[in-house]
Amino acid sequence: ELKVEQNPLFLSMQEGKNYTIYCNYSTTSDRLYWYRQDPGKSLESLFVLLSNGAVKQEGRLMASLDTKARLSTLHITAAVHDLSATYFCAVVFEGGKLIFGQGTELSVKP
Amino acid sequence: EPEVTQTPSHQVTQMGQEVILRCVPISNHLYFYWYRQILGQKVEFLVSFYNNEISEKSEIFDDQFSVERPDGSNFTLKIRSTKLEDSAMYFCASAKDRAYEQYFGPGTRLTVT
Repeated sequence: ELKVEQNPLFLSMQEGKNYTIYCNYSTTSDRLYWYRQDPGKSLESLFVLLSNGAVKQEGRLMASLDTKARLSTLHITAAVHDLSATYFCAVVFEGGKLIFGQGTELSVKP
Repeated sequence: EPEVTQTPSHQVTQMGQEVILRCVPISNHLYFYWYRQILGQKVEFLVSFYNNEISEKSEIFDDQFSVERPDGSNFTLKIRSTKLEDSAMYFCASAKDRAYEQYFGPGTRLTVT
């Protein structure tokens, strides 16, 4: 069965703190995406990770991929309120379909 | 920058009615997808479409659902007889190739009463 699991599902952080969101998946895939979703909005693509050991950074967010462990992480550095949103990882499976994790609802408080 | 568009942004319908959700993919894309997201839940794959036929569909995509590319630009999702549990946000996505990134539209919020 194709499964993508994220944890934690809810994350309340203080501004300035660091934290990591984890994404595990059950079957081999050659691509993993991280998306951001604001309430009532569409999915904003943050990162695409293509190979083992891939690391990408944009601002306070950094994503990495370990294909052997079937694990991706999204690390948040020195969180700010503007990062409050729901973050999804999604894995591409054969045929091109995306299977999404449950999402991590991030709330950054002053 | 080209983008995927969807209409309407919000559709309210009564249980048992038919609805058609419309999408205009990016013009040079060849692969098309529908996903849905029930409020507060994860995004779920419904169907993929290529070369005027369904490539793959999920268990959710039962006989009540159909997709069509009626002309060179539109891609539609039809729900024949809506149920309360069809209430969700429906996202269309398109890609140049199945190995390429999918671009998502803004979504249509469907409310079935």
